[in-house]
Amino acid sequence: AQSVTQLDSHVSVSEGTPVLLRCNYSSSYSPSLFWYVQHPNKGLQLLLKYTSAATLVKGINGFEAEFKKSETSFHLTKPSAHMSDAAEYFCVVRLTGGGNKLTFGTGTQLKVEL
Amino acid sequence: DTEVTQTPKHLVMGMTNKKSLKCEQHMGHRAMYWYKQKAKKPPELMFVYSYEKLSINESVPSRFSPECPNSSLLNLHLHALQPEDSALYLCASSPLAGVETQYFGPGTRLLVL
Repeated sequence: AQSVTQLDSHVSVSEGTPVLLRCNYSSSYSPSLFWYVQHPNKGLQLLLKYTSAATLVKGINGFEAEFKKSETSFHLTKPSAHMSDAAEYFCVVRLTGGGNKLTFGTGTQLKVEL
Repeated sequence: DTEVTQTPKHLVMGMTNKKSLKCEQHMGHRAMYWYKQKAKKPPELMFVYSYEKLSINESVPSRFSPECPNSSLLNLHLHALQPEDSALYLCASSPLAGVETQYFGPGTRLLVL
């Protein structure tokens, strides 16, 4: 079975400081991994995806994530937080086989303070 | 154009009403999805359509009835809903139902009274 665990339900940072949102995955095979962001009362927007190419993945809005197989992690980072980054972030793994079913983590609420 | 559109944005309905949610994409995607998202929770998959055929039904109650009239359009027909069905309903699409990124619409926020 495949799953993702988001280690923090809430993260609070000051504007201009680095962001780290943690995600660990469990998968029998090389997984496809995604980070989505959801702003209040909005749909989900794809930030970035890993599909077994480069282990360091760059996404939109300055976000990036590094796939570390030895640590089964796919943490999301950004060097400098902006107020507009405040949102819910979901780490997602795609199930191998069985079509394009996604398994979502429970989400991390990012708060950015002045 | 990487946009998935959903109408209406908001919907309030009684338990005896019949209503429909609509989702549209013009990206040529051949897989479309319905998700349900309760407050403070991740989305839960309801249905998957691949080439206009229902390929996955995640044991959703029959009061939810999906329909895919063509490759660009996905409907969700609602009948005799319960208050616990109140949620954000998200539509997504992907080029194929394989190793493909899903693009989400903004959702319809449904309130059942």
